[in-house]
Amino acid sequence: GQNIDQPTEMTATEGAIVQINCTYQTSGFNGLFWYQQHAGEAPTFLSYNVLDGLEEKGRFSSFLSRSKGYSYLLLKELQMKDSASYLCATMDSNYQLIWGAGTKLIIKP
Amino acid sequence: GAVVSQHPSWVICKSGTSVKIECRSLDFQATTMFWYRQFPKQSLMLMATSNEGSKATYEQGVEKDKFLINHASLTLSTLTVTSAHPEDSSFYICSARAGGGLETQYFGPGTRLLVL
Repeated sequence: GQNIDQPTEMTATEGAIVQINCTYQTSGFNGLFWYQQHAGEAPTFLSYNVLDGLEEKGRFSSFLSRSKGYSYLLLKELQMKDSASYLCATMDSNYQLIWGAGTKLIIKP
Repeated sequence: GAVVSQHPSWVICKSGTSVKIECRSLDFQATTMFWYRQFPKQSLMLMATSNEGSKATYEQGVEKDKFLINHASLTLSTLTVTSAHPEDSSFYICSARAGGGLETQYFGPGTRLLVL
């Protein structure tokens, strides 16, 4: 079957670092995406990993381990505007995106 | 680049009426467009996938006669919710992809539908 797991909600402090984990089991694998979704808005693309390792993009980094079926999104120097839901999605062998339920990140001052 | 627009952003309609939502890729040609629905505090649910010039592929449980999808050009797809009912009230989001596989999906801003 196909399954993506990520925590439902996380809380962090402004200026700190937070890591959002995602584990997956999918039929075929063509990469993993992270999207950010603010309340009432559509998702926006953050990152794409298809090879093992860490991809850094400013304050955000994404890591993938294909052998472990595991990814994380790392957010540094948290800002209040980072309060949002973070969606993990894998692309299966048919190039379809399989979505996790999202992790709601709450940033406190 | 990679901008996707949706229109309208907000729709309020009476039960039984039909509503058309447009999705446009503004600066790229979208080989494939996707239509999603999202209920409050829930994840995105894929409704259908449409390729330009061909019939849409609907996900299990989505009524193709109720949710009509037309992808007439490489920059425009439309979703028509026919005979809308209050349970159809939701956030409808389209996304577009330039190529046939690994390219990123870019999302439109979404259309919030409220059926009274």
